[in-house]
Parts: sequence; structure tokens; C-alpha cells
Amino acid sequence: SQTIHQWPATLVQPVGSPLSLECTVEGTSNPNLYWYRQAAGRGLQLLFYSVGIGQISSEVPQNLSASRPQDRQFILSSKKLLLSDSGFYLCAWSVPGRNTGELFFGEGSRLTVL
Amino acid sequence: QKEVEQNSGPLSVPEGAIASLNCTYSDRGSQSFFWYRQYSGKSPELIMFIYSNGDKEDGRFTAQLNKASQYVSLLIRDSQPSDSATYLCAVNPLTMRFGAGTRLTVKP
Repeated sequence: SQTIHQWPATLVQPVGSPLSLECTVEGTSNPNLYWYRQAAGRGLQLLFYSVGIGQISSEVPQNLSASRPQDRQFILSSKKLLLSDSGFYLCAWSVPGRNTGELFFGEGSRLTVL
Repeated sequence: QKEVEQNSGPLSVPEGAIASLNCTYSDRGSQSFFWYRQYSGKSPELIMFIYSNGDKEDGRFTAQLNKASQYVSLLIRDSQPSDSATYLCAVNPLTMRFGAGTRLTVKP
């Protein structure tokens, strides 16, 4: 069966510090991968998605970046965090080739920027 | 106009009642529609998906889709306190777009 893991689960970072969130998927090949952010009391905002190694599409211009160095690994990064980067970050995957397919989410990473 | 709109609630219903959650979307090219449940502090989990106009039933849950009206709904019959959560409507024209969610409280 397929599983998705992301880490760390919780982190508190000062403004201006770097960020790295990691996500890995097991049990499937060439998944579509996604990073979403959920601000407090808000819906999910799509940040990045990837259909293959090295292929990243950005939805919202911001100080975040994403990379996919391996087929089942997706990384969200920032060089300098802003207060507005606080939120609940969710990695997700979907069945490759099915753009109408459902998403499967990781456990989430809660980021607080102070 | 937001791509996916939901009443933010909160919606409160007594135990055993029917909870009705509504959602509208803007992209007429959308092909698939999803309802996710999210407990506080947790990641969303899929409840149902629907692709065709009409009703789709799964246990106590019924999803309804009307593409002409660009409207999706979720009915929860015999609501239980454990159904208390935020319900997210999602639409997939190419990449999944979510509404802000409706918070549901089921009171014992």
C-alpha cells in the first residue's frame, strides 16, 4: 500500500531563518506531488506541484521554493522566512496520469515564525 | 470570485439530524469534485468524490452534483458527535482547488 510521510511535524523558526520541509511517498512510482499551505482558519492554498523529477510548477509567487530531487521526494524550502509564512503545510500525492484523481495527504507540518 | 466557495459556518446540528453542506465553483471545466473532512490539527481525509451529475450515496453520506448550477453538496444523515469537523469542498479542473471549509458541530 502507498504511504506518505512528511517532517518535521512541528517547528518554530525566527524571522529570516531558512526552512526545509521534506516529504516522501512509498509504494508508488512517479506520483504527482503537491505542497499546500493552510493558514489559521483558512482553506488550503496550493503552493507547488510536480509531475516528475525536476518538474516544478509554482502557483503563488513568494519566498518559498520547491524541489523534487528524487521520484518520490518533495522538498519545500525558504532562504528567509517571513511572519506570513506561518501555517500548516501539507504534502500530498495523487495517482500519476489522473488529473481528476483524489489527493492523499501527509500528516502535515505546523510552522510558526516568530 | 473565488474558485471554490463554501459557507464558513459554523453549522450546528443536533445528534441524529441531517447536516447539509454546500459548495459552488467557478470553473465550468471542472471534472471531479471531492469532500474532505479535517479534524482540528489534522490533515484532510477524503470522504467522497463525485464525477457525474446527480446523487452518490456512501453510508450516511450523500454527495450531490449539479454541473449546470456549478453546485456541489454533502448531506450527512444521522449526524454523530464524531462528525464534528471542518468539511472542505475541493474541485479539480487540473489541480485540486479547495474551499475555505465549513465547520460542523454536532451536539449530543
